[in-house]
Amino acid sequence: DAGVIQSPRHEVTEMGQEVTLRCKPISGHNSLFWYRQTMMRGLELLIYFNNNVPIDDSGMPEDRFSAKMPNASFSTLKIQPSEPRDSAVYFCASTRGGLNTEAFFGQGTRLTVV
Amino acid sequence: AQTVTQSQPEMSVQEAETVTLSCTYDTSESDYYLFWYKQPPSRQMILVIRQEAYKQQNATENRFSVNFQKAAKSFSLKISDSQLGDAAMYFCAYRSANINQFYFGTGTSLTVIP
Repeated sequence: DAGVIQSPRHEVTEMGQEVTLRCKPISGHNSLFWYRQTMMRGLELLIYFNNNVPIDDSGMPEDRFSAKMPNASFSTLKIQPSEPRDSAVYFCASTRGGLNTEAFFGQGTRLTVV
Repeated sequence: AQTVTQSQPEMSVQEAETVTLSCTYDTSESDYYLFWYKQPPSRQMILVIRQEAYKQQNATENRFSVNFQKAAKSFSLKISDSQLGDAAMYFCAYRSANINQFYFGTGTSLTVIP
């Protein structure tokens, strides 16, 4: 199994531009999570999906952020327009049914907004 | 929402010695799951060990073991015979049995001194 795959690994963009982060969860996993990691705030849950349906998006910082999961094998996190304070590492994680299972993380996307 | 507290932002240990990382959590649930993740400089999140709340026996994985005190809501990680490769950020995580979410602490940065 290839694990959770995120792309790109690094992204540098100018303030005001649209940024799209991508995630392919592990096949057979039915829950997907987007996290943001910063030094100041640690790991923050932005949104999670269960069976492709968004369940809790209360962690999405503002309307500039949106996430979709059109099918079981793909999710996107979009920031439009991006701002310097969005600079962070964004992680995608997935897990299968069964509450004793851990979350499997992708390698993250380091986003820098200049 | 459940909260997970790691009160030690930084810890250091001499190579081959033992170190204990602390974690406490706040919950009203009786059934849940606890995890320790390791994040080395590569930033990949790696599961170290898990504990089911209904199990009284503390989990162990080779040099890693936990001290799970359910009444005190405490879940510490002990690393024995510390190795240079153990140097990383360590995150404690709580998974609710009722809500499919993971809650993470702010992390403890572990330095291993040769």
